[in-house]
Amino acid sequence: KAGVTQTPRYLIKTRGQQVTLSCSPISGHRSVSWYQQTPGQGLQFLFEYFSETQRNKGNFPGRFSGRQFSNSRSEMNVSTLELGDSALYLCASSWSGGEGEQFFGPGTRLTVL
Amino acid sequence: SQQGEEDPQALSIQEGENATMNCSYKTSINNLQWYRQNSGRGLVHLILIRSNEREKHSGRLRVTLDTSKKSSSLLITASRAADTASYFCATDERETSGSRLTFGEGTQLTVNP
Repeated sequence: KAGVTQTPRYLIKTRGQQVTLSCSPISGHRSVSWYQQTPGQGLQFLFEYFSETQRNKGNFPGRFSGRQFSNSRSEMNVSTLELGDSALYLCASSWSGGEGEQFFGPGTRLTVL
Repeated sequence: SQQGEEDPQALSIQEGENATMNCSYKTSINNLQWYRQNSGRGLVHLILIRSNEREKHSGRLRVTLDTSKKSSSLLITASRAADTASYFCATDERETSGSRLTFGEGTQLTVNP
């Protein structure tokens, strides 16, 4: 069974631009969550999608948004990029969320110049 | 926000020795999960322990959970150089529907050959 895949793996953008990251969950998994990892703040929860609906949301500004498609693939978008958005963005999938294991992808390394 | 606090922040041992990492958390949980991360890559799921379990084993890993003290420990026995990585605990909080992991700050383990 293929694992969680994320594209692109690396991305360089400039301040003010927007970016879209993609995540394909493990086949059959319906829950997709996104996390941001930075040296200063550690791993922080962004949001979770289940059956195309956002089920949980972390404490991030509205510039961070996401969506999930009918095949469970998910995208997250960050608009008006700031230097502080430079981070490793990790996607995780699980069968239903809630009480099961979360399986993480390799991440997208975003650098904002 | 980081619910978990892990100690030590860094641990350096020799190959063959055991490594113990501790994690404390603040709220009631459904489960607690341990992850490994190599050098800024994706998170690898190690083990999940549910709130009604006290101990769990997987290969060279042993996890304990004490819900009265809101703490968990991860023991890696007979460590190998390949175990060098950052280790994170993550809690799935009881009051949250769906999936929302809260991560600790992590322990950087170095196993010297």
